[in-house]
Amino acid sequence: DAGVTQSPTHLIKTRGQQVTLRCSPISGHKSVSWYQQVLGQGPQFIFQYYEKEERGRGNFPDRFSARQFPNYSSELNVNALLLGDSALYLCASSLELAAGNEQFFGPGTRLTVL
Amino acid sequence: AQSVTQLGSHVSVSEGALVLLRCNYSSSVPPYLFWYVQYPNQGLQLLLKYTSAATLVKGINGFEAEFKKSETSFHLTKPSAHMSDAAEYFCAVSDRTGGTSYGKLTFGQGTILTVHP
Repeated sequence: DAGVTQSPTHLIKTRGQQVTLRCSPISGHKSVSWYQQVLGQGPQFIFQYYEKEERGRGNFPDRFSARQFPNYSSELNVNALLLGDSALYLCASSLELAAGNEQFFGPGTRLTVL
Repeated sequence: AQSVTQLGSHVSVSEGALVLLRCNYSSSVPPYLFWYVQYPNQGLQLLLKYTSAATLVKGINGFEAEFKKSETSFHLTKPSAHMSDAAEYFCAVSDRTGGTSYGKLTFGQGTILTVHP
């Protein structure tokens, strides 16, 4: 079975631009979460979606937004990019929305902002 | 707010030696606890998790971790290190009480494990 897939794998943008990252969860998984991992740090929670609704939001500015589609895939959008947005963006899926459920991570999208 | 502390950003061991990676959490209610491994340029892979059953949890690749409520710890161990264990390891917690952070993982800063031949 395919795991969590993310596209693109790498992305280079300049300050002020906008970016869209995509995630396809494991088949049958209804919950998708996004995390930002800055070099040398642990992942930081950005969003969680379940059944197309936002169920959790981390401490990120409004420049960050996301959505989940009927097929449970998800997009993360970041507007007005800053140098500090350079990071590995990880998508994770889980079967249901339940504390303690295992989250399966994709390989990530490496975003570089110049 | 929950927090996770991993003592030691770098740990170096010889092949065949004991691996001990430390993790402490801060929460009034014991959370769900996880250990993930990340190889270079890859995502995170779950090694093991503690939900509330046995306090000694066995995971993949010979790793295990023991939940100690009195010490608010969940240290990861492996009796004998292998070269292939070299990676970055993250401890994470998930709140049991749910609410607006249902299922959210809070990660520690990570520990890079180096294994010398």
